[in-house]
Amino acid sequence: KQEVTQIPAALSVPEGENLVLNCSFTDSAIYNLQWFRQDPGKGLTSLLLIQSSQREQTSGRLNASLDKSSGRSTLYIAASQPGDSATYLCAVTLYNQGGKLIFGQGTELSVKP
Amino acid sequence: DAMVIQNPRYQVTQFGKPVTLSCSQTLNHNVMYWYQQKSSQAPKLLFHYYDKDFNNEADTPDNFQSRRPNTSFCFLDIRSPGLGDAAMYLCATSRDPSADTQYFGPGTRLTVL
Repeated sequence: KQEVTQIPAALSVPEGENLVLNCSFTDSAIYNLQWFRQDPGKGLTSLLLIQSSQREQTSGRLNASLDKSSGRSTLYIAASQPGDSATYLCAVTLYNQGGKLIFGQGTELSVKP
Repeated sequence: DAMVIQNPRYQVTQFGKPVTLSCSQTLNHNVMYWYQQKSSQAPKLLFHYYDKDFNNEADTPDNFQSRRPNTSFCFLDIRSPGLGDAAMYLCATSRDPSADTQYFGPGTRLTVL
C-alpha cells in the first residue's frame, strides 16, 4: 500500500530565507508526483507536476525534484515571502488507478516578515 | 475565469438530513473527482467519473453517492449525514486519468449539527 509522508509537519522561517520541503513515498511505481498549495479553508492549487520520467520541474521561485528510486521528492522555495505562507501537500498518482492522488499530510509553512 | 466551481461554499445540515453538493467545470475535462478532507488530514478520494464511467473507491461508505448528468456537472449526494461526515469536500478535474494535472475547486465546507 502506497504511503506518502511529509517532513516537517510545520516550518517557520524569516522572510527571504531559502527552504526545502520533503516528501517521501513507499512505492516507487508512480505515474507522477504533484505539489499543491492549500490556503486555510480553501481548495488546492497545483504548483508543479513531475512525470515519473523527469527529475525536476521549475516554476518561478519554486523547484521540485524527484528521485523515484529512493522514493523522495523535494520542493525548494527560493527567497521566501510572507505570501508563501500556506500548507504544501505532495501527492503521487499510481498506475491504473484512474488518476487517484495519494496525499501526504502536508507541511504548514509560515514565513515571518 | 473560475475553472472549477463548487456550490455552496459552506453547507450546514442536520444529522440524517440528505444534502447535495455541486461541482461544475469550464475546462471540458473528461475526469471529475470528489475528495473528502477532514480537519488537519490529507484529502482522500471518494470516487471519480471518467466520462460517464463511475469508479467508486472500495472504502467509500454507501452513504455517499454521485451523479454526473453531463460533462460539466458532477454532484455529491450524502444520503444520511453523520457527525463524522463533517469535512471539506473538494472537487477536481483532469483531462485524462493519469498523466495530467488535477485542477481543484475551492471546496465546500460541510457542517453537520
